[in-house]
Amino acid sequence: DTAVSQTPKYLVTQMGNDKSIKCEQNLGHDTMYWYKQDSKKFLKIMFSYNNKELIINETVPNRFSPKSPDKAHLNLHINSLELGDSAVYFCASSPGGTARYEQYFGPGTRLTVT
Amino acid sequence: QQQVKQSPQSLIVQKGGISIINCAYENTAFDYFPWYQQFPGKGPALLIAIRPDVSEKKEGRFTISFNKSAKQFSLHIMDSQPGDSATYFCAASNTGNQFYFGTGTSLTVIP
Repeated sequence: DTAVSQTPKYLVTQMGNDKSIKCEQNLGHDTMYWYKQDSKKFLKIMFSYNNKELIINETVPNRFSPKSPDKAHLNLHINSLELGDSAVYFCASSPGGTARYEQYFGPGTRLTVT
Repeated sequence: QQQVKQSPQSLIVQKGGISIINCAYENTAFDYFPWYQQFPGKGPALLIAIRPDVSEKKEGRFTISFNKSAKQFSLHIMDSQPGDSATYFCAASNTGNQFYFGTGTSLTVIP
């Protein structure tokens, strides 16, 4: 049983295209996140959603738009892809209450923009 | 501005040795300090975490040491094994919603 799943695992596309990455968690968690890991493995938070509401929106180009149709899903849509968007994108989730700090990461989506 | 500074960038340890990774932070509002382990091609996995009211936490071969006054914390891996070879990230949070990660340490344990 996969706790946090992402699709696709690999995504190769050309500059200027629009693409989406999907994330689903079956843990019943309240909060979901998107992270970007660059080529140097630096992890940076992009967005955080709590019960379908956006609570953190870091300095991310507005070409990136998260969508949370329900508590178990957080998708990431990217418009007008650029070379610098190439990275591994991780979805994560965490429960509420005192365990809200415990994040569970998905397997990642490697995005390559050519 | 890097909220959490991590060192070293890479570490090579003999099997059975002790691996030590250090992190430092500035924001005294941080109240949760986790360590994550990441294998190639996988997502980070929570390894162990500590809160600032505790100076040390041990889980199996993994120990976090926390120095609140120095604003530093470290991960010690005792009896390091080749299977521990991975990238380790420290992190800090002050709300449970925002997390700041260190730059990662690539650990190689030589058999």
